[in-house]
Amino acid sequence: ETGVTQTPRHLVMGMTNKKSLKCEQHLGHNAMYWYKQSAKKPLELMFVYSLEERVENNSVPSRFSPECPNSSHLFLHLHTLQPEDSALYLCASSQVGRMNEKLFFGSGTQLSVL
Amino acid sequence: DAKTTQPPSMDCAEGRAANLPCNHSTISGNEYVYWYRQIHSQGPQYIIHGLKNNETNEMASLIITEDRKSSTLILPHATLRDTAVYYCIVRSRDNYGQNFVFGPGTRLSVLP
Repeated sequence: ETGVTQTPRHLVMGMTNKKSLKCEQHLGHNAMYWYKQSAKKPLELMFVYSLEERVENNSVPSRFSPECPNSSHLFLHLHTLQPEDSALYLCASSQVGRMNEKLFFGSGTQLSVL
Repeated sequence: DAKTTQPPSMDCAEGRAANLPCNHSTISGNEYVYWYRQIHSQGPQYIIHGLKNNETNEMASLIITEDRKSSTLILPHATLRDTAVYYCIVRSRDNYGQNFVFGPGTRLSVLP
């Protein structure tokens, strides 16, 4: 148990559906992240929230919409996705400003877009 | 882009030491070396990190060369559960978590 919880663990959706991924961290961290991992590819950073403000968006398509209502919760809202968006979506958190900063990851949501 | 180079795959016999190399020839003075591992379809797990001194914890040892251009992660007695992809990451202590850039890593297979 890493202290970062993601739900759902698995999700299958059609291209016209709207769904949301949820992440919650119980570590008291002040930054949260979304990463995407497609099959046989390295992890790609999608979004970073530090102190509840988005500080980085790595050219992610607008069909992915993040929301960070407080320092413990992070959502990724999905709409009109494409089959190539099928991937493992990972949430992480860290304590920004700490010299020995470490990322703690959740178990991920395995998303399949049909 | 990842600043490290790792072999794509390695095998290790169960019970033996697994030595995973990483080259980071462009590392700068304020950059740490981090190691994570990812077991299939799970989130990456932190293993260890260091700046210039060798480090050891309950999971592994990290040996950093004197010129800091390469390092080795050592799992002293590998078990089947250590089969995973191992990522070596260099990261400045002055930047935020967005600089945790993951490359393709090394796929370690521990064989019975």
